[in-house]
Amino acid sequence: GAGVSQTPSNKVTEKGKYVELRCDPISGHTALYWYRQSLGQGPEFLIYFQGTGAADDSGLPNDRFFAVRPEGSVSTLKIQRTERGDSAVYLCASSLSGAVNTGELFFGEGSRLTVL
Amino acid sequence: AQTVTQSQPEMSVQEAETVTLSCTYDTSESNYYLFWYKQPPSRQMILVIRQEAYKQQNATENRFSVNFQKAAKSFSLKISDSQLGDTAMYFCAFMKHRSSSNTGKLIFGQGTTLQVKP
Repeated sequence: GAGVSQTPSNKVTEKGKYVELRCDPISGHTALYWYRQSLGQGPEFLIYFQGTGAADDSGLPNDRFFAVRPEGSVSTLKIQRTERGDSAVYLCASSLSGAVNTGELFFGEGSRLTVL
Repeated sequence: AQTVTQSQPEMSVQEAETVTLSCTYDTSESNYYLFWYKQPPSRQMILVIRQEAYKQQNATENRFSVNFQKAAKSFSLKISDSQLGDTAMYFCAFMKHRSSSNTGKLIFGQGTTLQVKP
């Protein structure tokens, strides 16, 4: 596709369940980011991948959150034992490696997670 | 640590008029990047304009321009000839310069909701 694709668009789950959110970046983009946006707030950084490796995971709130990018393209954000406080929009962004330093990130439309 | 503050939760403007959105930030870095992103109801964040801190000239992109005051750590966005399609949430964001072990992490403000009225 032409842009960053995120699935599902919306996910409703029950407290304690496990969820996976998928991000398909723009073809050729080696840098990939996950951000979390709570209602009425700006996005908060979670994790950054350069290729297959997590170059910066300092934003992951706790060990219930984990992300992978095994082949350097599609990434999956995994949340274990979900809590109501995890409810938010999870945004994925990608960029060319060189553009990492200039802020030219291309965002998807996000996955809205609601934990009941 | 860097912080970004947007003190205007909501703004409105009449179509064709000019509006200015405010942003202040705090950092000990001497070189960095500042951005304005737009987020329409579709949720997709779109880059509006970018400013490099070591450039004194204010960035301009068509109807969008910034007033960058480095000493005051202020970075406001001016939208001229406002259009209905400008209705969205606007976020100010900060990023360290690549010389500071930058990983491309953006730090966002809380956002300002702008409504353009016909």
